[in-house]
Amino acid sequence: DTAVSQTPKYLVTQMGNDKSIKCEQNLGHDTMYWYKQDSKKFLKIMFSYNNKELIINETVPNRFSPKSPDKAHLNLHINSLELGDSAVYFCASSLTGGQPQHFGDGTRLSIL
Amino acid sequence: AQSVAQPEDQVNVAEGNPLTVKCTYSVSGNPYLFWYVQYPNRGLQFLLKYITGDNLVKGSYGFEAEFNKSQTSFHLKKPSALVSDSALYFCAVTTNAGKSTFGDGTTLTVKP
Repeated sequence: DTAVSQTPKYLVTQMGNDKSIKCEQNLGHDTMYWYKQDSKKFLKIMFSYNNKELIINETVPNRFSPKSPDKAHLNLHINSLELGDSAVYFCASSLTGGQPQHFGDGTRLSIL
Repeated sequence: AQSVAQPEDQVNVAEGNPLTVKCTYSVSGNPYLFWYVQYPNRGLQFLLKYITGDNLVKGSYGFEAEFNKSQTSFHLKKPSALVSDSALYFCAVTTNAGKSTFGDGTTLTVKP
């Protein structure tokens, strides 16, 4: 049973489109995250939510909007996609902020 | 501001030899330090976490990490490398609030 699941696994779309990535965790964790991993494999945190409340919002364009309908779900909506948004986006969760994080297998976003 | 440095992009070792993947960090207060491993097309997997007071931390798959406060280092080690250990390794520092900063990653290649 997958602990942190993301859909879709692959997303190929054109510049200017709007897309969403969904994430669900069945671990009962309170904290969820979105990360961006670029083509050089560098990993950077984008957002963190604790019990549906946004607690970390790094310097991310406001075209990116996270939404947490409940503490088991954290979705990422991206407006007006740009070429530079091409990356792998990872969702993760942890019991609390300082605990080990469990990662999904990523969504590979390609902008044409 | 917190930071993590992994000085080596690549580490090559022969199977059966000991391996070390280096990490140094900068953070205010007591650090939450982690090592994660990433296999191709997968999310990061937790290997081990620094626990205050333990200078040698044991983790999954025979890995351990040596914490050195004066050198602000948290090097990953394994006494005898396996070919299956070949992967991308990330060191991370995390705050109580869950803000994680990851190193740039080190690619470990274990040759038979």
